[in-house]
Amino acid sequence: DGGITQSPKYLFRKEGQNVTLSCEQNLNHDAMYWYRQDPGQGLRLIYYSQIVNDFQKGDIAEGYSVSREKKESFPLTVTSAQKNPTAFYLCASSIGGATNGYTFGSGTRLTVV
Amino acid sequence: GENVEQHPSTLSVQEGDSAVIKCTYSDSASNYFPWYKQELGKGPQLIIDIRSNVGEKKDQRIAVTLNKTAKHFSLHITETQPEDSAVYFCAASRAGGSYIPTFGRGTSLIVHP
Repeated sequence: DGGITQSPKYLFRKEGQNVTLSCEQNLNHDAMYWYRQDPGQGLRLIYYSQIVNDFQKGDIAEGYSVSREKKESFPLTVTSAQKNPTAFYLCASSIGGATNGYTFGSGTRLTVV
Repeated sequence: GENVEQHPSTLSVQEGDSAVIKCTYSDSASNYFPWYKQELGKGPQLIIDIRSNVGEKKDQRIAVTLNKTAKHFSLHITETQPEDSAVYFCAASRAGGSYIPTFGRGTSLIVHP
């Protein structure tokens, strides 16, 4: 079955550590996105990529980095520069273009310990 | 840029009642309006969408209406069931370039048995 897989489901990070969240899709979608979700804040865009080897900053990119070396994969690294990383992170993909719906992954809950 | 307002933030109904969630948008060029349902601890799922050349769309118990003149669109759920309890997000977008959809802040729907 086609879909989008995020791993791990839960992740714990110590202060000062970088962590990488995985996002893989087998839908042959060109575009991929990372959102951060905090209670009562809706979905905030971190980074997006519309094609392999290219990505753009979203509204809250500071403290995060991404890569898009393969069409299927769009990992997100939460760096130590992100001062408040505890949140629910959602990866999404779409065929491309803004007038097609997203397929979301099941999310990764990151907690700083 | 686009601004999407979603109301109410919380909606509580009795099983069997109807529920209506409304979104307004600011960019008259927006032409694609999806709705997503997010169950607790999961990623959002696209449940219905509408394009600007259509005024209403139905899928079983859910429907979406669009008023382009007033720049608002609404999600209607009839005969609500406890499994409809979730957070619902609207979004607005338009074709072109690197345009990214704008999401509303979400509505928490609670259906009481």
